[in-house]
Amino acid sequence: KAGVTQTPRYLIKTRGQQVTLSCSPISGHRSVSWYQQTPGQGLQFLFEYFSETQRNKGNFPGRFSGRQFSNSRSEMNVSTLELGDSALYLCASRRSSSQETQYFGPGTRLLVL
Amino acid sequence: DQQVKQNSPSLSVQEGRISILNCDYTNSMFDYFLWYKKYPAEGPTFLISISSIKDKNEDGRFTVFLNKSAKHLSLHIVPSQPGDSAVYFCAASPQMNAGNMLTFGGGTRLMVKP
Repeated sequence: KAGVTQTPRYLIKTRGQQVTLSCSPISGHRSVSWYQQTPGQGLQFLFEYFSETQRNKGNFPGRFSGRQFSNSRSEMNVSTLELGDSALYLCASRRSSSQETQYFGPGTRLLVL
Repeated sequence: DQQVKQNSPSLSVQEGRISILNCDYTNSMFDYFLWYKKYPAEGPTFLISISSIKDKNEDGRFTVFLNKSAKHLSLHIVPSQPGDSAVYFCAASPQMNAGNMLTFGGGTRLMVKP
């Protein structure tokens, strides 16, 4: 069974640009969550989507947004990039709201210059 | 305000010995806890979890202990192997079914020496 896949794996952008990251969950998983990992702040929850609806959102500015498609694939978008957005962005999936274990993808490393 | 803390940024252990990784939390609403292991350039891998109705959960070489009164949990790895060298994160959730909103600790880098 294929794991969570994320594309692209690496990305370089400049300040002010916008970026879209993609996540394909494990087959059959309907919940997708996004996390940001930085050396200073550690792993922080961004948001979670379930059945194309955002269910929870972390403490991030509105520049961070996401969506989920009917096939459970998810995208997150960051607009007006700032240097501090440089991070590893991780996606995690789980089957439904009743399953507690989240399985993580390898992440997308974003560098903002 | 860090709600989940791993006070030891690194730990070095000899192969075959026990590794003990600690985690403290402050939010009394947390009642479900997980440990993840992370290698560089990879996403975290789920190791073991425990809910607040238990004080111990075991899976092979890995055992997690929970002390609710002290708001403390620990992960024991026995015996430690060089392949266990990685960064270990503890995470907490307010409800078992709300595992989506995990709050992570800062991680502990475990080095197991052959």
